[in-house]
Amino acid sequence: DIQMTQSPSSLSASIGDRVTITCRASQSISSYLNWYQQKPGKVSKLLIYAASSLQSGVPSRFSGSGSGTDFTLTISSLQPEDFATYYCQQSYSTPTFGGGTKVEIK
Amino acid sequence: EVQLVESGGGLVKPGGSLRLSCAASGFTFSYAWMSWVRQAPGKGLEWVGRIKSKTDGGTTDYAAPVKGRFTISRDDSKNTLYLQMNSLKTEDTAVYLCTTVLLWFGEDSGIDYWGQGILVTVSS
Repeated sequence: DIQMTQSPSSLSASIGDRVTITCRASQSISSYLNWYQQKPGKVSKLLIYAASSLQSGVPSRFSGSGSGTDFTLTISSLQPEDFATYYCQQSYSTPTFGGGTKVEIK
Repeated sequence: EVQLVESGGGLVKPGGSLRLSCAASGFTFSYAWMSWVRQAPGKGLEWVGRIKSKTDGGTTDYAAPVKGRFTISRDDSKNTLYLQMNSLKTEDTAVYLCTTVLLWFGEDSGIDYWGQGILVTVSS
């Protein structure tokens, strides 16, 4: 199975900050990388698919980049509703998720 | 509106079996690829398995920890997805989520809809 490693596992940030989360695959996955947002008690939400395609309805402050083994999710200006846990997932082969990154208020 | 409603969870002893169901509505179920994801208490998301539409072969894929023990099936006439779980272990304790697979150029491109989930507890 392909292992997905996210970093950092948690971070503290302020409203308006630019936030970057990294995801690394144990082997090349081309652009088969997806990003999700999860809030306590709520259904998870697909933010980015195919590494850089913004899912319908997702604010443009979210963006994704990368290919091969290294990927990033960027929030250009952190908003109060963005405090959540973020997961990457590869769908190149049998899908696997990263361990998650919790974004907390500084 | 897409709705995915899981049922069939509960408490089961190690070595036991359980079958989860997911009633789907709001989309053409027969064309959809479906998957199960689980989340153990306080832990991250874990992909469990996937079933393709019959038109795409109806094949299944599973994560290594459940392969040989879990079976995903579908009844397109009932718009229902199933997860048969056998030889359950304590580490299978989790909330199980029914999901739809986003297809982009015919490829698995993530999960676009999620159910609320159903708790399965494996304990003696």
